[in-house]
Amino acid sequence: EIQLVESGGGLVQPGRSLKLSCSASGFTFSNYYMAWVRQAPKKGLEWVATISTSGTTTYYPDSVRGRFSISRDNEKSSLYLQMNSLKSEDTATYFCARRVRDSYAHFGYWGQGTLVTVSS
Amino acid sequence: DIQMTQSPHSLSASLGETVSIECLASAGISNYLAWYQQKPGKSPQLLIYYANRLQDGVPSRFSGSGSGTQYSLKINNMQPEDEGVYYCQQGYTYPLTFGSGTKLEIK
Repeated sequence: EIQLVESGGGLVQPGRSLKLSCSASGFTFSNYYMAWVRQAPKKGLEWVATISTSGTTTYYPDSVRGRFSISRDNEKSSLYLQMNSLKSEDTATYFCARRVRDSYAHFGYWGQGTLVTVSS
Repeated sequence: DIQMTQSPHSLSASLGETVSIECLASAGISNYLAWYQQKPGKSPQLLIYYANRLQDGVPSRFSGSGSGTQYSLKINNMQPEDEGVYYCQQGYTYPLTFGSGTKLEIK
C-alpha cells in the first residue's frame, strides 16, 4: 500500500522558518517526481513545488520561489520542504503528493496533510 | 501561467442523476488535465488523469472528456458518496494550476 505521511507543521511567527517532512512507503520512491500542494483554510488547492527523481531539478510558482526549497533523500524515501521568510498567506495545510504515473504531472497519491499556521 | 476556469461554482443533483462539470484552460493543454474529488477534512483523490483515464479504484460512473482548452467531468448515476468539491488541474506546463473548485451536493 502506498503511504505518504507528512510531519513538521505547527505555529510559526511571520518571517521565521519551518521544515516539513514526508515519509513515503509502498513504492520505489526514487522512481517518481514528488510535489507539495497546499490548501489555505476553506480555499482551493495550490501547487507549491515539484522535484525530479534525482533531486537535481526543481520547480516553484512565483508565490514561493526564493523562499521555499524542496529536497529529497532517496535513501530514506523522504521528501522535504524548507520554508523561509514565512508570511501569513502561507497559512495552509500542506500535502505531500506523488505523480500517478511518471510521465504525467497529475497527483495520484496524497498524504493526510500537515497544518502550518503563520501568526504572531 | 495557464488559468483554469471551472463551472459551475456549485450544483446540486438528485440521486441517480447525471452531472457534468466543465473546465476551461486559458491555453491549450494537450489533454494534460486531471480531476480530483475532495471531501471535508480529507485529502484530494485523483479521479481522472490525462483527460479521460480512470484512476485505479475509481468507479466507472466517473468519466472525463475534452481536448484543447475545454474539458469536462461526467458523473453518471449520482450517489450519496459523490458529494464533495471537485477540482480540475492542468499538468501541461509549470506552474501547475488548479481550478477554483465545484461544490457538488445531493438535492
